Amino acid sequence: EVQLMESGGGLVQPGGSLRLSCAASGFSFSSFALTWVRQAPDKGLEWVSTISGPGAVTFYADSVKGRFTISRDNSTNRLYLQLTSLRAEDTAIYFCAKEGVYGQYESWGQGTRVTVSS
Amino acid sequence: EIVMTQSPVTLSVSPGERVTLSCRASQSVSINLAWFQQKPGQAPRLLIYGASTRATGIPARFSGSGSGTEFTLTISSLQSEDFAIYYCQQYNNWPPWTFGQGTKVETK
Repeated sequence: EVQLMESGGGLVQPGGSLRLSCAASGFSFSSFALTWVRQAPDKGLEWVSTISGPGAVTFYADSVKGRFTISRDNSTNRLYLQLTSLRAEDTAIYFCAKEGVYGQYESWGQGTRVTVSS
Repeated sequence: EIVMTQSPVTLSVSPGERVTLSCRASQSVSINLAWFQQKPGQAPRLLIYGASTRATGIPARFSGSGSGTEFTLTISSLQSEDFAIYYCQQYNNWPPWTFGQGTKVETK
């Protein structure tokens, strides 16, 4: 059974930093691309960043490019998202998701909440 | 960027009714279209991918159709556990991967 569990969220001041983590199990970790999706309070889903299975290729939404960094450790089956220069509009629940063979987001974690406020 | 537009924004229905949700893409996404269900306080759950393929464990009352720019999610007979927000998402032209704004299915 695929399991994804996020951690690392919390309250941070504007301009601050945070590192989110997603622990994965139940599949061949290095074989699948992984993605972060966020959801602001009472809003819809927003794609944030994606990393390829080997970790060599990354993509970012324009809204986070230059501020967020996605990475993965295929030896420990963990996905990361480093958040820097945080803004109020980054306040959201951050979900990690596993891509399926066809590119669909077939498994999701329960999310970790990030609140950016002074 | 491909813009995904869902309609209606809100749908008020009774259990047992047939429900049809629409999703339109600003340009063709072939059949690279997924539908998700999200209940309050929960993560999204994949219902449909490839426009019409049910994900593992999804009941047969959920079906998807369409290709190109027009897509439909149908719930043949709405159950009480189906009240939720439904999102479509394209994964044909990326980045970015884009979601619709969601359709809330609520009780009449």
